[in-house]
Amino acid sequence: GQQVMQIPQYQHVQEGEDFTTYCNSSTTLSNIQWYKQRPGGHPVFLIQLVKSGEVKKQKRLTFQFGEAKKNSSLHITATQTTDVGTYFCAGRSGGSYIPTFGRGTSLIVHP
Amino acid sequence: NAGVTQTPKFQVLKTGQSMTLQCAQDMNHNSMYWYRQDPGMGLRLIYYSASEGTTDKGEVPNGYNVSRLNKREFSLRLESAAPSQTSVYFCASRALRDTSTDTQYFGPGTRLTVL
Repeated sequence: GQQVMQIPQYQHVQEGEDFTTYCNSSTTLSNIQWYKQRPGGHPVFLIQLVKSGEVKKQKRLTFQFGEAKKNSSLHITATQTTDVGTYFCAGRSGGSYIPTFGRGTSLIVHP
Repeated sequence: NAGVTQTPKFQVLKTGQSMTLQCAQDMNHNSMYWYRQDPGMGLRLIYYSASEGTTDKGEVPNGYNVSRLNKREFSLRLESAAPSQTSVYFCASRALRDTSTDTQYFGPGTRLTVL
């Protein structure tokens, strides 16, 4: 079945440093979504990417979808303590009804 | 507009006890989902309901049953709780009116401990 691998599992950064998390799929994806979960909270939708090579930005966050639509990344520039949380990707291939979630990357920002 | 609501927020059970987790959404979404979240394991799908009247197994359905009571409500039942079912349970819904979006909206979660 479809698998979505996400790395790293954890990332410690000093406030102001950049952060990147990567998702890789075993199959070509129709789309990919990114979610953020604050400690003790629930996943909250951030963005969806659909097109090959697509890049979207939300303030300090940059999302990319690979040309082959099998990988994606989330990059945060100049992290802040408010960025703390776990970031999940979720991808769906054309033959699958439901998205498959990666295991998430937990971001810890040290002030 | 409350989005997705779940009850209870916290629950402690003894092994062998049963309980039902309730979920409701007011966004008129067609699809609803139950996930469990364990440390380092991400979100694993237990059951889902593509539309009112249908339910299907996800990745980890053993030990659970579901009921799609109507379009708004989707409940998860543990018939005989086991310590391995200690987890955080999230309900989610998705519109599925437009296949170009797969956005899921999550409830606040139920934190379940089985002793």
